[in-house]
Amino acid sequence: DIQMTQSPSSLSASVGDRVTITCRASHGINNYLAWFQQKPGKAPKSLIYAASSLQSGVPSKFSGSGSGTDFTLTISSLQPEDFATYYCQQYNDYPLTFGGGTKVEIK
Amino acid sequence: EVQLVESGGGLVQPGGSLRLSCAASGFTFSDHYMDWVRQAPGKGLEWVGRTRKKANGYTTEYAASVKGRFTISRDDSKNSLYLQMNSLKTEDTAVYYCTRAAGAGYTPWDYWGQGTLVTVSS
Repeated sequence: DIQMTQSPSSLSASVGDRVTITCRASHGINNYLAWFQQKPGKAPKSLIYAASSLQSGVPSKFSGSGSGTDFTLTISSLQPEDFATYYCQQYNDYPLTFGGGTKVEIK
Repeated sequence: EVQLVESGGGLVQPGGSLRLSCAASGFTFSDHYMDWVRQAPGKGLEWVGRTRKKANGYTTEYAASVKGRFTISRDDSKNSLYLQMNSLKTEDTAVYYCTRAAGAGYTPWDYWGQGTLVTVSS
């Protein structure tokens, strides 16, 4: 199985901050990497696919980058509605696997 | 508007069975792979399994943790996805989400349902 390791597991940031979350795959995943946002008590929301492509309707403050095994999600200017847990996920191979999540909290 | 609405969750005893449904609307259901993803209370996300579309023989994939106990099926005439869960264990307690894969092959998810809670407890 492909292991997905996210870091940090949590972070505190202020409104307006630039935030970067890292995801590392145990094997190369051909950029078949997605990012999701989940708020408490809600279903996840798809943000990014193919490592850097935004899902329809997702604001451009979210961006993804990386290739091979190392990927990042960046939020350019954190807003109150962005405080949530973020997950990466690989869809290159079965079983499909997720990172452990990064909780973004208000400083 | 794409909508995925899960139902069928509830309380079940260990060893019991439950069938979840996901009603899809707002898109051509038969054109898409569909998946189930679950989340245990306070934990992260775990993929459960996938059904491909008719053109791919309705073939399925499963996580090792559920293989042999869970069965995913679909009824394209009813725009519905199902998850038959047998021999349930306490560790199957989770919110179960259905997800739509954007296409076929190496395809990401683009839409999620709101989830249905399954509690396995005596």
